[in-house]
Amino acid sequence: GAVVSQHPSWVICKSGTSVKIECRSLDFQATTMFWYRQFPKQSLMLMATSNEGSKATYEQGVEKDKFLINHASLTLSTLTVTSAHPEDSSFYICSARSAANSNQPQHFGDGTRLSIL
Amino acid sequence: AQSVTQLGSHVSVSEGALVLLRCNYSSSVPPYLFWYVQYPNQGLQLLLKYTTGATLVKGINGFEAEFKKSETSFHLTKPSAHMSDAAEYFCAVSTGTASKLTFGTGTRLQVTL
Repeated sequence: GAVVSQHPSWVICKSGTSVKIECRSLDFQATTMFWYRQFPKQSLMLMATSNEGSKATYEQGVEKDKFLINHASLTLSTLTVTSAHPEDSSFYICSARSAANSNQPQHFGDGTRLSIL
Repeated sequence: AQSVTQLGSHVSVSEGALVLLRCNYSSSVPPYLFWYVQYPNQGLQLLLKYTTGATLVKGINGFEAEFKKSETSFHLTKPSAHMSDAAEYFCAVSTGTASKLTFGTGTRLQVTL
């Protein structure tokens, strides 16, 4: 149980395009989802916390207009990287926390590797 | 505020040898502590967690960790390394399981024959 699916797993696109990444909780409802960014051989940096039905809370230094987060349902959150540039290339990982049991830890997706040419 | 320090960005052990990955934390409130494993191009998988109660925590794949408040440590151990244990390991701290996680910089475990 507690499976989080992230799609796509790998995307390559041209500079200037926008890219949408989906994070779905497959077998549980998630009131809260988290979006992380991971640079090569580095740790995960929290970008934002997404709560269903409300605006995301962004960490300091993360551009809200650059990284658009939508959490329209209890099973889906999306991260859109707008007008992506090579410096946005990274590994993006989402996680979700169950609405039914807030004492359970976050469950992570398998990540999306984004490469901007 | 909370933080995690993982000593040693790279640890190499022989197959069958003891695995010891070090983690020290800093927290202004009683911490919740986690160990995650990450395989290449994948997300994170929870190995084990400490919330309250017993300080020796057993996890999946034969791993365990002991919470030592006096040493502010939560080191990860496994008696006998297996080739499949080769991965990146992250220690993380939060003020509750429902709170956001703060990760350490990770330790890459290499297992040699």
